[in-house]
Amino acid sequence: AQSVAQPEDQVNVAEGNPLTVKCTYSVSGNPYLFWYVQYPNRGLQFLLKYITGDNLVKGSYGFEAEFNKSQTSFHLKKPSALVSDSALYFCAVRDRGSQGNLIFGKGTKLSVKP
Amino acid sequence: TAGITQAPTSQILAAGRSMTLRCTQDMRHNAMYWYRQDLGLGLRLIHYSNTAGTTGKGEVPDGYSVSRANTDDFPLTLASAVPSQTSVYFCASSEGRLTDTQYFGPGTRLTVL
Repeated sequence: AQSVAQPEDQVNVAEGNPLTVKCTYSVSGNPYLFWYVQYPNRGLQFLLKYITGDNLVKGSYGFEAEFNKSQTSFHLKKPSALVSDSALYFCAVRDRGSQGNLIFGKGTKLSVKP
Repeated sequence: TAGITQAPTSQILAAGRSMTLRCTQDMRHNAMYWYRQDLGLGLRLIHYSNTAGTTGKGEVPDGYSVSRANTDDFPLTLASAVPSQTSVYFCASSEGRLTDTQYFGPGTRLTVL
């Protein structure tokens, strides 16, 4: 069965420092991987996705993520965090070999302090 | 364009009552989805529709029903609400292929008392 794990409920970083939000996945075949962000009282906004090709994916608002097949990970990163990046981040996976729908992780709350 | 609209924004409902959450998209997407979001559980799929006229069950379908009479609309109905259905409900849509991004509506906050 497909699954996604976000091992950290909350990540705290100082403004200007690099940030990483972790995601690991489990699928039977090759995955399609997605990152979404949710600001308070809003819907989810798409950040980036990995389908195939280059393992480093660049997305919206300066975010990027690296697909690592051997570690089954897809960590979200940003070189320099902003206070406005504070939000809830969700990783999601879809198994390429099935007609499955998106499976979401439980979310990681990112807090960026000035 | 508006993208995806949901109504109502929020609702308080007495247990045992029925309610329909509305979802409309203007992107002519083939596929539509309903999720519920609960603290500590992330988003869980309730029902989906790959194309107009077809629907399927997701991870947590019990107590919910959907219909897809046309491309744009995908209402979610609670026939007899229970307190455990208190949640935030999100509608999403995509073009329908496995590689396609799902786009989300603003959500409906439902409280069942």
